[in-house]
Amino acid sequence: GAVVSQHPSWVICKSGTSVKIECRSLDFQATTMFWYRQFPKQSLMLMATSNEGSKATYEQGVEKDKFLINHASLTLSTLTVTSAHPEDSSFYICSATRETYGYTFGSGTRLTVV
Amino acid sequence: EDQVTQSPEALRLQEGESSSLNCSYTVSGLRGLFWYRQDPGKGPEFLFTLYSAGEEKEKERLKATLTKKESFLHITAPKPEDSATYLCAVLKNQAGTALIFGKGTTLSVSS
Repeated sequence: GAVVSQHPSWVICKSGTSVKIECRSLDFQATTMFWYRQFPKQSLMLMATSNEGSKATYEQGVEKDKFLINHASLTLSTLTVTSAHPEDSSFYICSATRETYGYTFGSGTRLTVV
Repeated sequence: EDQVTQSPEALRLQEGESSSLNCSYTVSGLRGLFWYRQDPGKGPEFLFTLYSAGEEKEKERLKATLTKKESFLHITAPKPEDSATYLCAVLKNQAGTALIFGKGTTLSVSS
């Protein structure tokens, strides 16, 4: 079955620094990747949609300069949280899809900004 | 506005006590309805996709059904290992769109 790998699983960083999260589709080439954010006991909120080689489309209210998304290949997308602050602490999850493969999710990254 | 509503928010069952989770939706142009299981601190794990009203799918103790306005996830004789949050999501009939999730139902099964 389709597998999506997300790293790191958890990260603690100091306020003002940047953090990069990687999302890889291991056994298929994803046409589209999605980044979600999840607060405790809340559902997944879509942050952005990215297609290989093109700029990401951000949801309303998501700061594109703070959450930089790069989708350099059909198997890799990265999310960089720039100048992180405590309010950016959350659970970030990526998802990858390709026709007939459905929507597969990574294992998530717990970001804590101190 | 597209919307997915799950009920109840939380459900506590005794081992062996069957029940159902509900997912009601309003979406323009439904392409598919998805059920996922999410364990604490993990990403969603795929369970089922349903595409048309009347469709049913089963996997072990779980059965998902779909009507034109809602979906049910039936859990038969649950075990403690079925404890998790169950997420419902809809996919619109537009290429490259993301899943729209409900808030989930947190199921606790005690022995």
